Amino acid sequence: ETGVTQTPRHLVMGMTNKKSLKCEQHLGHNAMYWYKQSAKKPLELMFVYNFKEQTENNSVPSRFSPECPNSSHLFLHLHTLQPEDSALYLCASSQDSAGENTEAFFGQGTRLTVV
Amino acid sequence: AQKVTQAQTEISVVEKEDVTLDCVYETRDTTYYLFWYKQPPSGELVFLIRRNSFDEQNEISGRYSWNFQKSTSSFNFTITASQVVDSAVYFCALRVYSGGGADGLTFGKGTHLIIQP
Repeated sequence: ETGVTQTPRHLVMGMTNKKSLKCEQHLGHNAMYWYKQSAKKPLELMFVYNFKEQTENNSVPSRFSPECPNSSHLFLHLHTLQPEDSALYLCASSQDSAGENTEAFFGQGTRLTVV
Repeated sequence: AQKVTQAQTEISVVEKEDVTLDCVYETRDTTYYLFWYKQPPSGELVFLIRRNSFDEQNEISGRYSWNFQKSTSSFNFTITASQVVDSAVYFCALRVYSGGGADGLTFGKGTHLIIQP
C-alpha cells in the first residue's frame, strides 16, 4: 500500500455510539493531521501530531479524542456525537514542518453521518 | 491569524477553454508556503503545487500554471485547454513557518470547477 489510507470510508452512527476512525500513512512522514470538511465550510484543522506528540488542538470538543500510537498511525475516537458533527473527516501526513517538504498528503476521508 | 479567500464559488466552462482560479491570502508572517489541492468526487485531496514565500517565480506544469504575486498577495491557478477530467473542487491553502513543529494548513472555501464537454 502507498500513501495515506483511511478506514472506514463511510460510517453511520447514533448519538450514543462510540466509534473510531483509523488513518495509516506509508510515506515515512513525521507529522499527521485530522481535518473536518463540512458542507459550505472551509476545511478545518482539528488536531496535529508531530513525532507522536500532539502539538495542536484547534478548540475541538472533547467528544473527539485523537490517538497517535506511532508516527504511522492516527486514530480519532468518537463519543456522543451530534448531528452537526456529520462531515467528511480527512487525515493527512507531512514530512516535516520546517524546510522544503511541507506539503501534506491526504487520505480519501471517512464520510461520517450522525443520526 | 491567516486567511485564504477563493472568491469564485463555482466556475463552469466548455472543454478546451482556459480557466483561471483566483486565490488571495493574508498573513503577517514573512515566511510561508502556498499550496493548491484538487478534490475529485472521490474525496481525496490531491496535492498539485507548493510555493515558498521567497520564491515568486511562476511555474508551468503541462496544462497547469501558477502565478504568484506577493505585491497583491495572490496565487492564481490557470488551466489551459481544460478537459472534462479537470472537473473537481480546487483548494488554495496557506501554511506559515513556525520554526519547528508541525503546522496545519489554512484552506480557502474552494472553487468548484465544472468542465462541460
